[in-house]
Formats: sequence, structure tokens, C-alpha cells
Amino acid sequence: DVKVTQSSRYLVKRTGEKVFLECVQDMDHENMFWYRQDPGLGLRLIYFSYDVKMKEKGDIPEGYSVSREKKERFSLILESASTNQTSMYLCASSSSGGASDYGYTFGSGTRLTVV
Amino acid sequence: LAKTTQPISMDSYEGQEVNITCSHNNIATNDYITWYQQFPSQGPRFIIQGYKTKVTNEVASLFIPADRKSSTLSLPRVSLSDTAVYYCLVGEEDTGRRALTFGSGTRLQVQP
Repeated sequence: DVKVTQSSRYLVKRTGEKVFLECVQDMDHENMFWYRQDPGLGLRLIYFSYDVKMKEKGDIPEGYSVSREKKERFSLILESASTNQTSMYLCASSSSGGASDYGYTFGSGTRLTVV
Repeated sequence: LAKTTQPISMDSYEGQEVNITCSHNNIATNDYITWYQQFPSQGPRFIIQGYKTKVTNEVASLFIPADRKSSTLSLPRVSLSDTAVYYCLVGEEDTGRRALTFGSGTRLQVQP
């Protein structure tokens, strides 16, 4: 079964810490995405990547950075965690080609609490 | 990306058919319509996608009228396990490179 795996299900970090959220996919997908989900706000796009070492800002990139050194791995970095970054973080991947490749595959999410 | 409008919530009972309608008045010629399902504490899951008329799979049906300004997700004979948030998205799907924009979705509550 193909999947997107996020390294942690729950994380608690202190304000000011540098936080790494890891995402790995085993589908050889070119595209990878990071979203955060908050009650009443739905899913909001933070960053995405169409290729190795390539990144694009989404709708809310402030306070975040990303790294994609290998095709299967896309990391989200919180440079200095703040309490307003407490959220559910979701990683997704998709293929760039093929009419039979519909949709995006999401991971199960990482619930981050910054105290 | 075309903006979508869907009901905030819906209630149903087990065994009933549920229809969730999504409005997308400014849909573009190249846009597809895609629906996702999200259970609590999980990421969204792809349900169905269509361009026009009707699409059916093992999970749901998607009805798209000729003007494509709306679409209806139909869930036959729902069960308690269909309780989830359902998102309607519109955008180009030919390459998969599009970054998805999610709205607030429709929260479906199925009761016994």
C-alpha cells in the first residue's frame, strides 16, 4: 500500500526551538506539499515542491522553511517555534503525469503543540 | 483557482442517500472537480474526480451539469463511518502539479 509517512504523530516543543517535521513518500511522486490545519480555517498551504531542491511559497510561508534534498523526502522547518504555530501539519504528494494518477495522497498528520 | 461554496454541515441517518452540492461559478475550461474526505485526526483522502456529466466509483457518484457551475457528490446508503468532512476542489488536474486550495468543507454527521 502506497503511503505518505510523517515522522511524528504528536510533538511538543518549546517557544524558540527549531523544529523539523519530516515527510517521506514511497510513490516516486514529483510533487510534495505542506499544509497546516486549524479549526475554522481549513487547510492552508505553507510550501510546496515540484522537484528535488526546488521549493515554492504557499499562502502562509512566514516563519517556515523547507528542504527537499531527495525526491522522497520533504522537510518542514520552523526556524523559531512560536505558540501561534501550534497546529496540525499535513504533508501530501502527487504525481506530475499520467491520466490514471488522480489526486493527492496525504499523510496522517503531525499535531504540534508549542508551549 | 476557482472558488467553491458548499454547505458548512449536513446531518443524515444510516441507510440514507446523501447529496452534497458545491458551487463553482467561475470554473475554467481546463478545470476538473475533485472531492476529498477527511476523518478526524487524519489527512484528506481522494474520493472522486470528474470533468462533466457523471462519474461513479465504488465509493460515490459525482454529478456535473452541462454548465459545470456546480457539482453534486452523492453517497449512497451512508453508514456511521461516513461521518467526515467533505471538500470540493476545482482546478487543473492534467499534471498534478497544482497546489490544492481547500475551503472549510462540509461536515457530514451520520446518526443511527
